[in-house]
Amino acid sequence: QVQLQESGPGLVKSSETLSLICVVSGYSINSGHFWGWIRQPPGKGLEWIGSIYHRGSTYYNPSLKSRLTISVDTSKNQFSLNLSSVTAADTAVYYCARHTAASVFDSFDIWGQGTTVTVSS
Amino acid sequence: QSALPQPASVSGSPGQSITISCTGTNSDIGGYNYVSWYQQHPGKAPKLMIYDVSNRPSGVSNRFSGSKSGNTASLTISGLQAEDEADYYCSSYTSSSTLVLFGGGTKLTVL
Repeated sequence: QVQLQESGPGLVKSSETLSLICVVSGYSINSGHFWGWIRQPPGKGLEWIGSIYHRGSTYYNPSLKSRLTISVDTSKNQFSLNLSSVTAADTAVYYCARHTAASVFDSFDIWGQGTTVTVSS
Repeated sequence: QSALPQPASVSGSPGQSITISCTGTNSDIGGYNYVSWYQQHPGKAPKLMIYDVSNRPSGVSNRFSGSKSGNTASLTISGLQAEDEADYYCSSYTSSSTLVLFGGGTKLTVL
């Protein structure tokens, strides 16, 4: 059974860097899917952040690209997100998820439970 | 690029059918068959209900169906049940630099 679990600090200070890890269990991250991050501000809709392939190819939302780094560690079967210079607008529930296939075009079929990140001033 | 427009809310009685629309352009919904739909209950992660316009993942009830006409995608839920009450989001690949677009979300109320 494939499971994804996000982890990271729940509180980040404004202007600092938000760092999250998504650990994948029950499935090898090398098996050919893209893996992504999605966020949801309080009371609002979903926003795609970016996605990565196990070989390191990345695709980023252009609205976040200048502050965003997504990386993968196949030895630990996990991938991570770093978002720099955060502001209150980055306060959200952050989800990691698996793309349905080896394509960033495709849907997300497996999701983590989500982790809440609050940016404080 | 902003979210794909969806109605803010829809409602129906148990046993009835409802349809949620998601409007795009030739650059996303109209140009590709990478449309998906997600169900989200309060405080929970989204769940994939439909992918590639009309395909259901294993385990999803056949009461859920998806379709597309031109630049508009639709999710139909037949035989409404109380457990269907949730938020529903469409999503599509887009040829713009954004790549992945979500809809604004629709709150389904089962009366």
